[in-house]
Amino acid sequence: DVVLTQSPLSLPVTLGQPASISCRSSQSLVYSDGNTYLNWFQQRPGQSPRRLIYKVSNRDSGVPDKFSGSGSGTDFTLKISRVEAEDVGAYYCMQGTHWPYTFGQGTKLEIK
Amino acid sequence: EVQLVESGGAVVQPGGSLRLSCAASGFTSGDYAIHWVRQHPGKGLEWVSLISRDGGNTHYADSVKGRFTISRDNNKNSVYLQMNSLRGEDTALYSCARDISGSYDLWGQGTLVTVSS
Repeated sequence: DVVLTQSPLSLPVTLGQPASISCRSSQSLVYSDGNTYLNWFQQRPGQSPRRLIYKVSNRDSGVPDKFSGSGSGTDFTLKISRVEAEDVGAYYCMQGTHWPYTFGQGTKLEIK
Repeated sequence: EVQLVESGGAVVQPGGSLRLSCAASGFTSGDYAIHWVRQHPGKGLEWVSLISRDGGNTHYADSVKGRFTISRDNNKNSVYLQMNSLRGEDTALYSCARDISGSYDLWGQGTLVTVSS
């Protein structure tokens, strides 16, 4: 199975400051159709996961543009340009290129 | 409203069985593959099982293979997870999720399964 390694696992951030989460894959996530099925999910406390980003860099409808995804091959990044209180929670990368789909361990973002 | 709603979670003894349901509304569930994903208390996300749109293909995580069975009834817009021979390590929040092109664009709120004597 593809292993996704996120870092850091804990991310204390001052309000208004940027944040960045890395997701590294044990193998390339480029599918035979040329797409890279790397997604990012946000899970606020007590809520179910919500997709933020799909195929590396595509923001879901309603997701603020302070969230951005980038990367290629095996290295990917989620950036939050200015952290707000509502961003507290866990963030997971997930790959849908190789079977079975797998998740990173999660990164817990908290306000410093 | 487009949503998935899980039900059936409960407290069950080790070795027991449960059947979880995932009811879709606001869309035709038969147009999508559906997955079950679980989250152990305070932990991350773990994929459990998948069923194809017509129910002809199913897949399971090694940790549940031979004990769990996924099925669906598209006439009822529902997907099910039959869980047998439950173990303590199966204690988790079980959620169903809609598969779209290598991703999940819709999740349910989950149903809690607790395996304890």
